[in-house]
Amino acid sequence: AQKVTQAQTEISVVEKEDVTLDCVYETRDTTYYLFWYKQPPSGELVFLIRRNSFDEQNEISGRYSWNFQKSTSSFNFTITASQVVDSAVYFCALSEERQAGTALIFGKGTTLSVSS
Amino acid sequence: DTGVSQNPRHKITKRGQNVTFRCDPISEHNRLYWYRQTLGQGPEFLTYFQNEAQLEKSRLLSDRFSAERPKGSFSTLEIQRTEQGDSAMYLCASSLARGGLAKNIQYFGAGTRLSVL
Repeated sequence: AQKVTQAQTEISVVEKEDVTLDCVYETRDTTYYLFWYKQPPSGELVFLIRRNSFDEQNEISGRYSWNFQKSTSSFNFTITASQVVDSAVYFCALSEERQAGTALIFGKGTTLSVSS
Repeated sequence: DTGVSQNPRHKITKRGQNVTFRCDPISEHNRLYWYRQTLGQGPEFLTYFQNEAQLEKSRLLSDRFSAERPKGSFSTLEIQRTEQGDSAMYLCASSLARGGLAKNIQYFGAGTRLSVL
């Protein structure tokens, strides 16, 4: 069955620290997509990145980077030099080609608190 | 380019009452999704539309829930005879589905927070 696990419920860091958010997924599909979303206190889920199952290249976007490893079924997210504005709940999600509707399957989220 | 809009943002109702939420997707997006999010959990899929057709409903969507998307534009989600267990954030998302569907990015609204007293 499809499943996304975010084992870290809450993480607290001080500004400028690096922080890694873990995501482990389960799927029997060979074609699937992984996503990260950010949910600030306002409630709106903000899309951050999409990665397909055939592309294991790591990606960097500014202070954000993602490490996708199929061998361990993980798609971890690192924020470098964290800032207070990074405080939010972060969700990892999975989408499969064969799943009707391709609804996103979300993990429970990791709450990141960055203090100044 | 305006994002996904949801109204109202907050709704407080008494148990047994009916409530209706509205979602306006990003224009030209042909897919529209409804999710429910309870405290400390990730969003859970409820149902989705391809244009005006409702193509799938989750087991979470009891017969007290009904969704529509007339004319393939905005959508409404109605809950009849609300129960305290219906208290949650109801999120709407839209996407432009083309090619391999699983890759489509879903863009979310800010949600409607329902409190059933």
